[in-house]
Parts: sequence; structure tokens; C-alpha cells
Amino acid sequence: EVQLVQSGAEVKKPGESLKISCKGSGYSFTSYWIGWVRQMPGKGLEWMGIIYPGDSDTRYSPSFQGQVTISADKSISTAYLQWSSLKASDTAMYYCARHRDGYNSGLGYWGQGTLVTVSS
Amino acid sequence: DIQMTQSPSSLCASVGDRVTITCRASQSISSCLNWYQQKPGKAPNLLIYAASSLQSGVPSRFSGSGSGTDFTLTISSLQPEDFATYYCQQSYSSPQTFGQGTKVEI
Repeated sequence: EVQLVQSGAEVKKPGESLKISCKGSGYSFTSYWIGWVRQMPGKGLEWMGIIYPGDSDTRYSPSFQGQVTISADKSISTAYLQWSSLKASDTAMYYCARHRDGYNSGLGYWGQGTLVTVSS
Repeated sequence: DIQMTQSPSSLCASVGDRVTITCRASQSISSCLNWYQQKPGKAPNLLIYAASSLQSGVPSRFSGSGSGTDFTLTISSLQPEDFATYYCQQSYSSPQTFGQGTKVEI
């Protein structure tokens, strides 16, 4: 069974750094794209970027390029989303999701979400 | 970036109704269009991929159609568990943008 398990909720102050994780199991971690999706409170879904763990090929939305870093450690089947300096506007739920098949396929498997709260 | 525009933004319907949601892309995306359902407090769930293919485990009352720039999600007979927000997403090119969502309410 394919599973994506995300790290727990975080409460941070503006300016702090953060790295959240998404551990895949039940499939070949290096063979499927994993994406990150933001959902701000009461708002819609925003595609942030994706990574192919097999070769670390990474694509970012222009809206998030330079604001976050997506990475993966294939030795432990885990993808990451990190910030070097959080802002209050980063407060949101963040989902990781695995593509159903290839790059052009839908996001067929989702993590449970990680709630990030940034407040002074 | 490819812009995805859904309509309507919300709709009111009753159990048993036929519901149609449309999604328009700002340029041709072939059949690289996916539909998701999201219920409050839950992660989204893939319903339809490649414009018209039903994801495993999804009830057959859900169907998708279209290609190029215009797409449709149809729920043939709305059930109580279908009240949720629905999103389209293009997976043709990066960034793989979502539509703004359509909330289906009673």
C-alpha cells in the first residue's frame, strides 16, 4: 500500500527556519515524482513544486522559486520542504503528494498534511 | 504559466441532481487535466486523471470529458457524501496549476 506520512504540526516565529518531511513507503521511492501543495487558511490549492527522487530533478512554481527549497533523501525515502526565513504569510497547510504515474499524471497519493503556523 | 479557470465558484444542489463543473485552460493542455475532491479538514482526493480516466475506487457517477482548453467534471446523481470542493489541475507543464475550486453545497 502506497503511503506518504508527513511530519507533525509546527509553530514558528517569523525569521526562523523550518524543514518539514514526507516519508514514502509501499512503492519504489525513486521512480515517482513527489510534489508539494500549499493551502492557506480558507483558500484553494497552490502547486509549489515537484522533485523526482531518482535524480533530484526539481521544478518550482515561479511563485515559490527562491522562497522554499524542495529536496529528497532517497536513502530514507523522504522528501523535504524547507524555509530559511519564515514569514507570517507562510502560515498554511502543506501537503506532499505522489504522482499517480509519470510527470503528466495526476497526484494520486497524498500525505495527511503538515500545518505550519508562523506567529510572533 | 497556464491559468486554470473553474466555473462556477460555488453551486447549490440537491441529492440526486446532475452536477456539471467546467474548467478552462489559458492554452491547450491536450488531455493533461485532473480533477480532485476535497472535504473540510482532509487532503484532496484524485477523482479523474487524463481528463476522462476514473481513478481506482472512485464511484462511476463521476466522469470527466474534454481536451485542449475546455474540460468538464460531471456528477450524474449527487450523493450526500459528494458535498465538497472540487479542483481541476493541469499536469501538462510546470507549474502544474490548479483552478480556484468549486464548492458544491446543499
